[in-house]
Amino acid sequence: EVQLLESGGGLVQPGDSLRLSCAASGFTFTRHAMSWVRQTPGKGLDWVSGIVETGGNTKYADSVKGRFTISRDNAKNTLYLQMNSLRAEDTAIYYCVKDRYASLSFDFESWGQGTLVVVSS
Amino acid sequence: EIVLTQSPATLSLSPGERATLSCRASQSVNRYLAWFQQKPGQAPRLLIYDASIRATGIPDRFSGSGSGTDFTLTISSLEPEDFAVYYCHQRNTWPSFGGGTKVEIK
Repeated sequence: EVQLLESGGGLVQPGDSLRLSCAASGFTFTRHAMSWVRQTPGKGLDWVSGIVETGGNTKYADSVKGRFTISRDNAKNTLYLQMNSLRAEDTAIYYCVKDRYASLSFDFESWGQGTLVVVSS
Repeated sequence: EIVLTQSPATLSLSPGERATLSCRASQSVNRYLAWFQQKPGQAPRLLIYDASIRATGIPDRFSGSGSGTDFTLTISSLEPEDFAVYYCHQRNTWPSFGGGTKVEIK
């Protein structure tokens, strides 16, 4: 059974940094691209960033480009999202999402339970 | 950016009734459209991908159709566990999601 367990969320102030982690199990991590998708009550679901199976190619939504960095450690079956210069509008539940394919097809097959990030002074 | 518009925003139906949900794209997404179900406090769950393919373990009362800009999710006979919010999602270009349709008990 696919399991994606996010951690690292919390309450931070504007301008702060936070690193999210996603521990993956139940599938061959090295055969799948991964993404982060966030959800807010007001704006709904938004794709944030994605990474191919090797980690050699990454993509970002314009809203986070230059502030967020996605990475993965295939030896540890773990996905990361380093979030810097956080803003109030980054407040959301962040989901770790498994792609159906090794390349970034954005075919979102399985989702973790999410971790809440709140950016507030 | 491709905008996905879902209608209606809310659908009030009784168990056993048929539910028809619509998703319209601002430009063609070919057949690269998926449907997700989300219940309160839970993550989205994939129901349908590539417009009409049921994901693993999804009951056959769920079906998807459409191509280009107009898509439909049909639930043939609502079960109590089907009352939830449903989102469409396109991956033809940079991924985007619709605003959701809430299926509530009448």
